[in-house]
Amino acid sequence: SAVISQKPSRDICQRGTSLTIQCQVDSQVTMMFWYRQQPGQSLTLIATANQGSEATYESGFVIDKFPISRPNLTFSTLTVSNMSPEDSSIYLCSLSGTRVDEQFFGPGTRLTVL
Amino acid sequence: GNSVTQMEGPVTLSEEAFLTINCTYTATGYPSLFWYVQYPGEGLQLLLKATKADDKGSNKGFEATYRKETTSFHLEKGSVQVSDSAVYFCALRYNFNKFYFGSGTKLNVKP
Repeated sequence: SAVISQKPSRDICQRGTSLTIQCQVDSQVTMMFWYRQQPGQSLTLIATANQGSEATYESGFVIDKFPISRPNLTFSTLTVSNMSPEDSSIYLCSLSGTRVDEQFFGPGTRLTVL
Repeated sequence: GNSVTQMEGPVTLSEEAFLTINCTYTATGYPSLFWYVQYPGEGLQLLLKATKADDKGSNKGFEATYRKETTSFHLEKGSVQVSDSAVYFCALRYNFNKFYFGSGTKLNVKP
């Protein structure tokens, strides 16, 4: 199984600022995903990040708000821009394993916006 | 479109009680179905999965059967333990490893 780490594990930020979340994987993967888990709710897919191409965003999410970088096959970042309290969530990166239907999730970054 | 509906929690049980968490889905095609578990303070972990109709996924005493006729994937365990206290998410996979999750069901098991 893949080992996924995220930084920071949690943060408290002020309204209007931006935070960049890092996701590091111990193996090379083609597709990485970013999810959001709002308080008391389920996970929602934000975008898919492929190395060497622009991220693909799901309905309701835009690049200006959630810019994503994917500089290589083991690393990705998600930035939450111009934050508001509604952005308070857990943000998780995820990747597909080598076997069909295998999916792994990072430990998450708990973000609180004041 | 795709959707997953699971029973609302929290569910509170005594140790050794029988557990059922209902999950139904709507999907185009034939998705794979999953149960993920999130223990307090930890990330999501795969609990079990089923990739086609009538498949039964099982792990750690938990079971779920992929029922195409009722579009369901209910999670069951015959005898829960305090250590099973967690949030359980039903999910389906669509469109090349994108997942659609249910709202989660919190399980509290009391000694």
